Amino acid sequence: KQEVTQIPAALSVPEGENLVLNCSFTDSAIYNLQWFRQDPGKGLTSLLLIQSSQREQTSGRLNASLDKSSGRSTLYIAASQPGDSATYLCAVKTSYDKVIFGPGTSLSVIP
Amino acid sequence: DGGITQSPKYLFRKEGQNVTLSCEQNLNHDAMYWYRQDPGQGLRLIYYSQIVNDFQKGDIAEGYSVSREKKESFPLTVTSAQKNPTAFYLCASSIQGGLNTEAFFGQGTRLTVV
Repeated sequence: KQEVTQIPAALSVPEGENLVLNCSFTDSAIYNLQWFRQDPGKGLTSLLLIQSSQREQTSGRLNASLDKSSGRSTLYIAASQPGDSATYLCAVKTSYDKVIFGPGTSLSVIP
Repeated sequence: DGGITQSPKYLFRKEGQNVTLSCEQNLNHDAMYWYRQDPGQGLRLIYYSQIVNDFQKGDIAEGYSVSREKKESFPLTVTSAQKNPTAFYLCASSIQGGLNTEAFFGQGTRLTVV
């Protein structure tokens, strides 16, 4: 059974720092991995989608990597800003209709 | 603008009542999903639908029901059989026909039992 974990559960950093969020999954047979951002009381906003054949994706200050063999993905945020404060969730697609979410990392960027 | 609209944003339910959460999308997506989010847990799939007039149970379907009479709409009913319905409910959609497709989410409905 596929399980997705995210470490740390919460992270607080000063503004301007580069940071890494981690996502681990137990079964390497995935079709894609998606990183989302969730603001308090809001829905999810897709940040990056990495196909199973890809190693990384970049969008602005965000870079996501995928290592299927080790069951890991990282989300790198460069030069963090207070507006980056949110919960970040990763999700893996394991079949045509199955997406498994991690519990999320709550990020707080201190001005 | 294209997107997914969930309503209401907040919903209060008395014990023993059924309530229906609305989800509408104008993205022309075939697949639609309902998730439940509880504090400290990942999203859990309640029901999903790949095409009109068809839907499948997810991991936690007990106490919930859905319908998919139109491509744009996928309402979720939380029945009195759901023992712990207080949660944040999220609706999502994606383009049908591909495994490597991106999911788009609504803004959520927070349901509270009073």
